[in-house]
Amino acid sequence: SQQGEEDPQALSIQEGENATMNCSYKTSINNLQWYRQNSGRGLVHLILIRSNEREKHSGRLRVTLDTSKKSSSLLITASRAADTASYFCATDAASSYKLIFGSGTRLLVRP
Amino acid sequence: DGGITQSPKYLFRKEGQNVTLSCEQNLNHDAMYWYRQDPGQGLRLIYYSQIVNDFQKGDIAEGYSVSREKKESFPLTVTSAQKNPTAFYLCASSAGTGDEKLFFGSGTQLSVL
Repeated sequence: SQQGEEDPQALSIQEGENATMNCSYKTSINNLQWYRQNSGRGLVHLILIRSNEREKHSGRLRVTLDTSKKSSSLLITASRAADTASYFCATDAASSYKLIFGSGTRLLVRP
Repeated sequence: DGGITQSPKYLFRKEGQNVTLSCEQNLNHDAMYWYRQDPGQGLRLIYYSQIVNDFQKGDIAEGYSVSREKKESFPLTVTSAQKNPTAFYLCASSAGTGDEKLFFGSGTQLSVL
């Protein structure tokens, strides 16, 4: 079963523009994480935001969490061609340590 | 270098054959996981293990088996009962306290001949 669902499924932007991806989930969570996957590779952890946090920054990444709407967003500022990848949100249900991944947003940054 | 090693990178299975995917970690992590990824899709949990000699079924365990005899190793066997095994398989580990990020291997692409 999918806990998180990303929106949009695909996003194409010009280098230098900002990219925003959204994630919605269904049940209460302990934390929400964002991961990046280059084609044919494993996932790499980007950022974790806990259920009692509303916003978190890491370099060019900004993540927000709205637990009342059960949603999160990932903003990548000043995008680069090297940011081209798929981005996944992952949530753990409050009663479980298992991480459930969404279907991902495929980001293409055009040079 | 610390990390997770998956092998082989590519694997082909014949009809009726069992195949085993290897996953080894030297991060001293307690928890290990196996995920399946189909093209253009997210990850689905097959099995996970929070400690040596213990493991639990995930959402799509049918047709798969695992063992956790050593802390650093968590092999996945795709049995002949798995009728649609073609997928990208990802192994991951975490410290296991329930609030930790996952570290992933580079994956194994399994195809049916």
